[in-house]
Amino acid sequence: EAGVTQSPRYAVLQEGQAVSFWCDPISGHDTLYWYQQPRDQGPQLLVYFRDEAVIDNSQLPSDRFSAVRPKGTNSTLKIQSAKQGDTATYLCASSLPPGTQNTLYFGAGTRLSVL
Amino acid sequence: GDSVTQTEGQVALSEEDFLTIHCNYSASGYPALFWYVQYPGEGPQFLFRASRDKEKGSSRGFEATYDKGTTSFHLRKASVQESDSAVYYCALASSYGSSGNKLIFGIGTLLSVKP
Repeated sequence: EAGVTQSPRYAVLQEGQAVSFWCDPISGHDTLYWYQQPRDQGPQLLVYFRDEAVIDNSQLPSDRFSAVRPKGTNSTLKIQSAKQGDTATYLCASSLPPGTQNTLYFGAGTRLSVL
Repeated sequence: GDSVTQTEGQVALSEEDFLTIHCNYSASGYPALFWYVQYPGEGPQFLFRASRDKEKGSSRGFEATYDKGTTSFHLRKASVQESDSAVYYCALASSYGSSGNKLIFGIGTLLSVKP
């Protein structure tokens, strides 16, 4: 069974540039999460979806970050105007529906450097 | 809000040493508790979980017991190997079984094992 797939693996930007990250979850997983992991810190939730609906985006900086999952499968996270403070690894994870011992499974992440 | 505290930022051991990484949590009710392991260049991998008081989770020789009285879920292994070198994260799911299962992670503990 294929795991969570993310692309690109790496991105290097100048401040003010835009970037998009793409995630393909495990087949059959209806819940999808985006986490931000600054260097030497634990992952911090940005947003998560159940199918195509946003369940919680309270930690997503809405002025510059956006996330969509239009068909309830793949998802895209976009940073409109990157800042140096956005330098981090962006992790996507997916899980089965609630009530089924829903462990999160993570992709390898996209490592973003903003210069 | 809910939180996870890992008291050791780094642990350095020799092969066959006994490992303990401390994890304490703050949350209402009975959150599900998890241990994840992260190797360089990869996303966090699920190690095991527990969701009831006194329940023991285990995998690959690692184990931890859910203790609601002390709000702890300490990771232990009797004899570590060099291949166990990685970052270990304790996490909790505060809305387990409802509309999602967002994980809250600790800061992580870097385990280095010398041969």
